[in-house]
Amino acid sequence: DQQVKQNSPSLSVQEGRISILNCDYTNSMFDYFLWYKKYPAEGPTFLISISSIKDKNEDGRFTVFLNKSAKHLSLHIVPSQPGDSAVYFCAASDYGGSQGNLIFGKGTKLSVKP
Amino acid sequence: GAGVSQSPRYKVAKRGQDVALRCDPISGHVSLFWYQQALGQGPEFLTYFQNEAQLDKSGLPSDRFFAERPEGSVSTLKIQRTQKEDSAVYLCATSTRGNSPLHFGNGTRLTVT
Repeated sequence: DQQVKQNSPSLSVQEGRISILNCDYTNSMFDYFLWYKKYPAEGPTFLISISSIKDKNEDGRFTVFLNKSAKHLSLHIVPSQPGDSAVYFCAASDYGGSQGNLIFGKGTKLSVKP
Repeated sequence: GAGVSQSPRYKVAKRGQDVALRCDPISGHVSLFWYQQALGQGPEFLTYFQNEAQLDKSGLPSDRFFAERPEGSVSTLKIQRTQKEDSAVYLCATSTRGNSPLHFGNGTRLTVT
């Protein structure tokens, strides 16, 4: 049974608009969440993270929102750019932020059209 | 280089052969992780080292999989008697101690024929 779920395999957005990528989790022990971005033939690259003591973390065009009661997090990219086209993985940990064994979702492929 | 380096980038093995995959971590990164990523899936945890100590190997799928990091730097993931279901991208990731992001290498794509 998947503990981290990304139910949308793909998302297409126009350049300049907002991209919203969603992630749901089942394990209430998770206390640290991360988003990674992956280009073809490359390894995942860390994008942004959030601890369970917060409900929002922002870094430039990227914002992650956490709703603990719904066991749901989302990544907002505003404005979206063609270079943002990649696969985005949501990941979770129950190691209090020390990374440890990350549980990844299956990923959402984002396409940003010029 | 500045990043995590993995070799080879691609490996084709016949079923039953043994393979060895290498990971050169970022200098000074004490934590090292191996992940397996099957086609269309997210990375799945295999094993974790802190320096030379293998602290968690709960994700290794069978006793055909073995990882080592004898001097606390370079790590090797060995797969004995490869099977078709072992075909995947094997990712190595490293980090400094504590709350810091994982830095992934570009992976080794293993194809077992």
